[in-house]
Amino acid sequence: AQSVTQPDIHITVSEGASLELRCNYSYGATPYLFWYVQSPGQGLQLLLKYFSGDTLVQGIKGFEAEFKRSQSSFNLRKPSVHWSDAAEYFCAVGLYQAGTALIFGKGTTLSVSS
Amino acid sequence: DAGITQSPRHKVTETGTPVTLRCHQTENHRYMYWYRQDPGHGLRLIHYSYGVKDTDKGEVSDGYSVSRSKTEDFLLTLESATSSQTSVYFCAISESGGGGMTDTQYFGPGTRLTVL
Repeated sequence: AQSVTQPDIHITVSEGASLELRCNYSYGATPYLFWYVQSPGQGLQLLLKYFSGDTLVQGIKGFEAEFKRSQSSFNLRKPSVHWSDAAEYFCAVGLYQAGTALIFGKGTTLSVSS
Repeated sequence: DAGITQSPRHKVTETGTPVTLRCHQTENHRYMYWYRQDPGHGLRLIHYSYGVKDTDKGEVSDGYSVSRSKTEDFLLTLESATSSQTSVYFCAISESGGGGMTDTQYFGPGTRLTVL
């Protein structure tokens, strides 16, 4: 069955430091992969997506992610974290037998320390 | 931002009562989805719709029904609410279902439902 694993439940990073959030997926076909961010009390905002082509994907707010098929991973990175990046981050894989229904990981909460 | 509204935004109800949540979109997108979000579980698909009167079940559909009589509205009904259905419910829309760069899902602001 398709699944998404985010191994880190909570991460704390110092402001200005680099960030990497891990995501591993299990999916039989070529995956469609997404990263969403959710600020407290808010809905989900799309950060970036991968469908095909270049395995390094650029997103909004200075985020990027790299698709590595050999590792079944789609890790999210940012070179310098800002306090406003504190939020919950969700990785998801698209199931195209059900429209674009998504299977989500359980999320990683990012805290930013000063 | 995609034109998606959800109503009500907050609701408290009692066990055994029926509850209907509404999702309304102004984007004329074909696909609409209902998810629930619970701590430690991320978001899980309840039901989705691929057109007017065309719906199908998701991962956690037990205890829920949906209806879509117009492109812009997708209703989620809890026939007899239970405490286990206390959650935050998100509606999402997407333009198409066949993949491609237009195939992105956009989420509404959510409805927080508490069942006492």
